[in-house]
Amino acid sequence: DAGVTQSPTHLIKTRGQQVTLRCSPKSGHDTVSWYQQALGQGPQFIFQYYEEEERQRGNFPDRFSGHQFPNYSSELNVNALLLGDSALYLCASTGGTIYNEQFFGPGTRLTVL
Amino acid sequence: AQKVTQAQTEISVVEKEDVTLDCVYETRDTTYYLFWYKQPPSGELVFLIRRNSFDEQNEISGRYSWNFQKSTSSFNFTITASQVVDSAVYFCALWVDYKLSFGAGTTVTVRA
Repeated sequence: DAGVTQSPTHLIKTRGQQVTLRCSPKSGHDTVSWYQQALGQGPQFIFQYYEEEERQRGNFPDRFSGHQFPNYSSELNVNALLLGDSALYLCASTGGTIYNEQFFGPGTRLTVL
Repeated sequence: AQKVTQAQTEISVVEKEDVTLDCVYETRDTTYYLFWYKQPPSGELVFLIRRNSFDEQNEISGRYSWNFQKSTSSFNFTITASQVVDSAVYFCALWVDYKLSFGAGTTVTVRA
């Protein structure tokens, strides 16, 4: 049973560029959440997708957007990258009977130069 | 709004010593869950324990134990007889309304 997978593992971009990160949830899970973890800090909630719609959103600007596909996989898009967007981006999936347990993927390390 | 505070930034111990990590949380919700996660250098968050707001019973699971006290909004976590493999960053997290709020983390270093 595959867990949560994310791609790519690492990514280097320059300021002003756009980036797309991808996440496949754990089998049987229908909810995907995205978190940003800056160096030395705890993860911060970006948004959550359920039934292909954004169900909740944290305190992040509109440059951060997402999408969920019919197969429950998800994308995180960041436009007009800033140096401060450099972070580890974690995807977590939830589903089944334990609705409050989030399974995390290995993350995508984004570096903005 | 939810808030989680981990006052300890770093803890260093010698192998076989016990390690206790402090966590204080804030929420106005009466239904919530508290978690502890471990993050090794690889970066992936590993689930350790979960406790709901209606169950203050403290338990032991292997070398892990926790002390949940609603009166002081604390959810402390103890690793007994620490091992070098326990070296990681540990996060306390509060689940409310389908999302997690994390503390800043405590870096635990276990020396051989």
